[in-house]
Amino acid sequence: GQQLNQSPQSMFIQEGEDVSMNCTSSSIFNTWLWYKQDPGEGPVLLIALYKAGELTSNGRLTAQFGITRKDSFLNISASIPSDVGIYFCAGTTDSWGKFQFGAGTQVVVTP
Amino acid sequence: EPEVTQTPSHQVTQMGQEVILRCVPISNHLYFYWYRQILGQKVEFLVSFYNNEISEKSEIFDDQFSVERPDGSNFTLKIRSTKLEDSAMYFCASSQDGSNYGYTFGSGTRLTVV
Repeated sequence: GQQLNQSPQSMFIQEGEDVSMNCTSSSIFNTWLWYKQDPGEGPVLLIALYKAGELTSNGRLTAQFGITRKDSFLNISASIPSDVGIYFCAGTTDSWGKFQFGAGTQVVVTP
Repeated sequence: EPEVTQTPSHQVTQMGQEVILRCVPISNHLYFYWYRQILGQKVEFLVSFYNNEISEKSEIFDDQFSVERPDGSNFTLKIRSTKLEDSAMYFCASSQDGSNYGYTFGSGTRLTVV
């Protein structure tokens, strides 16, 4: 079956530092989504990527859809305390919304 | 900004009882989904629904589960006879046209089976 690996599992960083995380898949995806999830809440969409090579920014967040269509990364620049949370990638091989989620990257920001 | 609304936010039920989780998708969306997330684990796809029928379902979505769109606004997930291992967060999602654009999740219902 499809394998979707997200790394790192957790990151402890100081405020102001940049954060980088990535996901790799054993299959070719046609859509990558990056979400942030706070405890007890649903995933909130950060960035959506629909084409290989696409590089998209949302404020301090930047994500790219890998050229091979099997990977994606998310960068957070100049982290602030409210960036704390779990970040998930999600990808799909089809256009019908059956997404596979990564295991998440827990980000902890210390002042 | 349009939202996917889920009720209740937390449901506690006894093992063996039936439970219905409710979702109101975004009004002009046509594709609907349920996912679940067992505490500390990945979000897992359960089922997709379009044009009043299931489009795809995972191996988790066995005969104990069913989905329904009883009217023009609600989308429900029913678990007929709950088991302890059904305890999880259940997320509803919807998208406009099946192209994955505008894919939006609700805040979830935490189901606790005791």
